[in-house]
Amino acid sequence: NAGVTQTPKFRILKIGQSMTLQCTQDMNHNYMYWYRQDPGMGLKLIYYSVGAGITDKGEVPNGYNVSRSTTEDFPLRLELAAPSQTSVYFCASSPSTTFYEQYFGPGTRLTVT
Amino acid sequence: QQPVQSPQAVILREGEDAVINCSSSKALYSVHWYRQKHGEAPVFLMILLKGGEQKGHEKISASFNEKKQQSSLYLTASQLSYSGTYFCGTEIAGRGSNYKLTFGKGTLLTVNP
Repeated sequence: NAGVTQTPKFRILKIGQSMTLQCTQDMNHNYMYWYRQDPGMGLKLIYYSVGAGITDKGEVPNGYNVSRSTTEDFPLRLELAAPSQTSVYFCASSPSTTFYEQYFGPGTRLTVT
Repeated sequence: QQPVQSPQAVILREGEDAVINCSSSKALYSVHWYRQKHGEAPVFLMILLKGGEQKGHEKISASFNEKKQQSSLYLTASQLSYSGTYFCGTEIAGRGSNYKLTFGKGTLLTVNP
């Protein structure tokens, strides 16, 4: 199993550009999450999904959109990129069981200039 | 709602013990612990549920005081590989699990030879 994969690993965007961060998991997990991590601030939940077709906002959803058309994929869309969106983005998935440990992807480092 | 972790940083010599604390102002359903090494993704360590169930790493132990809304992670006989940033993630109590975590800012643990 590859686990959780994310592409790209690095990206530089200009202010106002848009992009999609890809996330795929091959563990048949129902739950998927997008976090952003800024230095010294921990992980902030952007959006999450409890299954295909179902998504919900986390703590910091503004400026982002998600979709979940399949169990495996959970892309994160950035519209009109701003410098405040410079961060490391992690996708994670977890089984829908009592102990729902989260498995994280390797991350995408995004810089908006 | 972000849980508070203490200490912010700790330096140990190999073989020493450490305790990392996580405190919430809200009633909790579960507490999760993750470790992140520099430049890598967070990795699951422990889950502690309200009521006493837990699942986790065989060499790391933790406690969960439901009444005080606090959890502690115990690292005994530390090894060099224990170095990293430790995050607690808390799930607010409700009607069962909502599969959504709020993470603390992290505790940086450095183990020296």
